[in-house]
Amino acid sequence: GAGVSQSPSNKVTEKGKDVELRCDPISGHTALYWYRQRLGQGLEFLIYFQGNSAPDKSGLPSDRFSAERTGESVSTLTIQRTQQEDSAVYLCASSASRGKEETQYFGPGTRLLVL
Amino acid sequence: GNSVTQMEGPVTLSEEAFLTINCTYTATGYPSLFWYVQYPGEGLQLLLKATKADDKGSNKGFEATYRKETTSFHLEKGSVQVSDSAVYFCALRVNTGFQKLVFGTGTRLLVSP
Repeated sequence: GAGVSQSPSNKVTEKGKDVELRCDPISGHTALYWYRQRLGQGLEFLIYFQGNSAPDKSGLPSDRFSAERTGESVSTLTIQRTQQEDSAVYLCASSASRGKEETQYFGPGTRLLVL
Repeated sequence: GNSVTQMEGPVTLSEEAFLTINCTYTATGYPSLFWYVQYPGEGLQLLLKATKADDKGSNKGFEATYRKETTSFHLEKGSVQVSDSAVYFCALRVNTGFQKLVFGTGTRLLVSP
């Protein structure tokens, strides 16, 4: 079946503007993760959704960042008042459950550039 | 805290050379260990994993052994191909509570014909 998809693939925005990034997980996957990868750095965890439970937002770097997920489907990551340090690749992943052996499947990412 | 350290790249090799990409970790408890690969223009893909000490993960000719005594999970391949050119990420997942992945910074591998 289809993998994790993300849109847009690239986004260029001006400092101070808001952006929305979208993730479509694999159908049936209850767990969804957002990560950020800055240039030359590893992936940083941002937020985690599991079914209808309250999301784990412990990785969000500031209150400018928020994310929503409708049930077990699409998620959007919103960055308000973007700053240049927000420039990064934003990766979404999904997995079938929060079980110990579940593999996370990643999307191709959204490359965000804040000018 | 939990962290992963892997060798900086790029690693440049000729086709059929032996590959080692070093990865060490720091973790509370007993993590599961992973290698992910990112080919140009594609998303991260799981390459192999090991869930307990002395386990060996293997896939596509790549291998890595979970070494608890040295807290390492080095990636090896006996004979690389041009098609192996990609960025390789070592990661751990602590198997308690919510299981986010903690990644290393990635190592770019360039294989020339």
